[in-house]
Amino acid sequence: EDKVVQSPLSLVVHEGDTVTLNCSYEVTNFRSLLWYKQEKKAPTFLFMLTSSGIEKKSGRLSSILDKKELFSILNITATQTGDSAVYLCAVETSGSRLTFGEGTQLTVNP
Amino acid sequence: DADVTQTPRNRITKTGKRIMLECSQTKGHDRMYWYRQDPGLGLRLIYYSFDVKDINKGEISDGYSVSRQAQAKFSLSLESAIPNQTALYFCATSPEPRKTGYNQPQHFGDGTRLSIL
Repeated sequence: EDKVVQSPLSLVVHEGDTVTLNCSYEVTNFRSLLWYKQEKKAPTFLFMLTSSGIEKKSGRLSSILDKKELFSILNITATQTGDSAVYLCAVETSGSRLTFGEGTQLTVNP
Repeated sequence: DADVTQTPRNRITKTGKRIMLECSQTKGHDRMYWYRQDPGLGLRLIYYSFDVKDINKGEISDGYSVSRQAQAKFSLSLESAIPNQTALYFCATSPEPRKTGYNQPQHFGDGTRLSIL
């Protein structure tokens, strides 16, 4: 059975802090790992990672994948209150099926 | 206008009722998916469809059925709703990788919040 585990499940920080969110996985037929941000509604896409060691970056957010150790991290630097959300990690396997982790609830206080 | 539209946005109903949740998309994607989200469990795949004639069960298909009426429409039915089907339901779409030449992420609708009493 495919499994994706995120940690921590909940995190509270102050504006300006840097946070690291973790995602580990055990799946068969790995194709890619994705990060989504979920505020009140639909999960919105952040990153898709397919190769180990190549950092993807978008503004203050960055992510990297380690296919040998089967994990990924999502970093957010200089956090803002607008970063408060649930961050979801998902692994795509053959047939374009996504297996999601439980999510990390990030709260950024002013 | 939203690319992936789910109706209704909210629904409260009683145990034993038949319910249909609808999803339509204007993205022209071939692939469509239904997920449910429960607190502490993330999103779990119910059914998915790669084209109008292709329907596949996901991780938790028991108690649900689907219909792919057209490329743009994919509906989810609960034949006889039960309280543990109370959840937030999401529809998602993605293009066929062979058409784009590479994998693209799934794109989600805003969800239907379903409560079964």
